[in-house]
Amino acid sequence: QVQVVESGGGVVQPGRSLRLSCVASGFTFSNHAMHWVRQAPGKGLEWVAVTSYDGSNKYYADSVKGRFTISRDNSNNTLYLQMNSLNTGDTALYYCVRESPPYGSGSYSWFDPWGQGTLVIVSS
Amino acid sequence: DIQMTQSPSSLSASVGDRVAITCRASRSISGFVNWYQQKPGKAPKLLVSGASSLPSGVPSRFSGSGSGTDFTLTISSLQPEDFATYFCQQSYHSPYAFGQGTKVEVK
Repeated sequence: QVQVVESGGGVVQPGRSLRLSCVASGFTFSNHAMHWVRQAPGKGLEWVAVTSYDGSNKYYADSVKGRFTISRDNSNNTLYLQMNSLNTGDTALYYCVRESPPYGSGSYSWFDPWGQGTLVIVSS
Repeated sequence: DIQMTQSPSSLSASVGDRVAITCRASRSISGFVNWYQQKPGKAPKLLVSGASSLPSGVPSRFSGSGSGTDFTLTISSLQPEDFATYFCQQSYHSPYAFGQGTKVEVK
C-alpha cells in the first residue's frame, strides 16, 4: 500500500524551531520528487517546498525561503522539513506529498498520495 | 510566479445537478493542471491530472478540460458524496500554486 506518514508537529513558541518527518512506504521513494504542502486552519492549500528525487534540487515558497529546509534520506525512505524562526503565520497542518510520475517517466506531474498531515501550532 | 485564479469560491447545488468549476492561470501552462477534492478533516485526493486524465477509481461523472490558461472541472451529475471543496493546482513550474478552492454545498 502506497502511503506517506508525517510526524513531528506540535505547539512551539514564536522564533523557535521544529523538524517534521515523513516516512514513505509501498513505493520506490528514491524515484520520486517529494513536497510539503500546508493548510492553515479553515484556509486553502499552500505549497511549501519540493526536493528532487535525489535531493540535488530544492525549491521553496517565498513565505518560507531562508527559514525552512527540505531534505531527504533515501536510504531510510524519509522526508524532512526543518522549520526555523517560526511565526504565527506558520500555524497549519503540514502534508507530505509524493509527486508522480517517477523521475524521467513522463511530462505532466501530480501530487498523490497525501499523508494525513501533522499539525504545527506556533503560539506564545 | 504563476497564479491560479479559481471560481466560484463557493456554490450551492442539488443532487443530480451539473457543476462546473473554473481555474485560470496567469500565463500559459499547457495542460499542467491537476484537480483535488478535499472533504472536512481529510487530506486532499487527486481527481484529475494533466488537465483531463482521471486516475483509476475516480468516477466518470468527473471530467477535466482546458489547455493554456483556462481549465474546467465538471461534475456531470452531482452525488451526495461530492459535497466537498475542490482545488486546482499548476504543476508547470515551482512554486506549484493552488487555486483558492471552491466549496460545493447542498442547496
